[in-house]
Amino acid sequence: ETGVTQSPTHLIKTRGQQVTLRCSSQSGHNTVSWYQQALGQGPQFIFQYYREEENGRGNFPPRFSGLQFPNYSSELNVNALELDDSALYLCASSLGDSPFDEQYFGPGTRLTVT
Amino acid sequence: EDQVTQSPEALRLQEGESSSLNCSYTVSGLRGLFWYRQDPGKGPEFLFTLYSAGEEKEKERLKATLTKKESFLHITAPKPEDSATYLCAVYSNTGKLIFGQGTTLQVKP
Repeated sequence: ETGVTQSPTHLIKTRGQQVTLRCSSQSGHNTVSWYQQALGQGPQFIFQYYREEENGRGNFPPRFSGLQFPNYSSELNVNALELDDSALYLCASSLGDSPFDEQYFGPGTRLTVT
Repeated sequence: EDQVTQSPEALRLQEGESSSLNCSYTVSGLRGLFWYRQDPGKGPEFLFTLYSAGEEKEKERLKATLTKKESFLHITAPKPEDSATYLCAVYSNTGKLIFGQGTTLQVKP
């Protein structure tokens, strides 16, 4: 167990809807990153937060947004869902000394957009 | 554009048959290379961080090495429980983390 939890486990949404995914990091981990993983592919970096500020972003449109809270929880929000958004969404936390070093991943949320 | 390519895509080994997985990268300034293991239905599990060419890290049956163009994950005398998808990821001067597509390893008893 990594100590990182995500909710919900599975989610089905309709194209055009909005979704919020949640992550609870390990206590003391100031950095959280979110990834999208399509079936059979490696994860793709969405963005990273450090101490509640966005600290880097991958090649995802602005309809992907996030928040990090002081209690080591975070959210990924996706607006105007598209069919291609169907994927496993992973969050990962780390101490933050080096942005991506020794990340602990949660089990993921499987999002299906119909 | 930064790129990370892993080979082979899939690898089948007999228990005890050693082999290596490759991760080739083209990036604008390497700041770190990471290896992860991912079991089906789970998030990736951190294995190693490598920062500079010539660096090596070892853990049980796994050994990771790094050159200026590629990294290898050597698996010595694998066991069936080593079966998983192995992912490498590169952190570059662009400030992004890029994963390869992974190598799925199956070790048969």
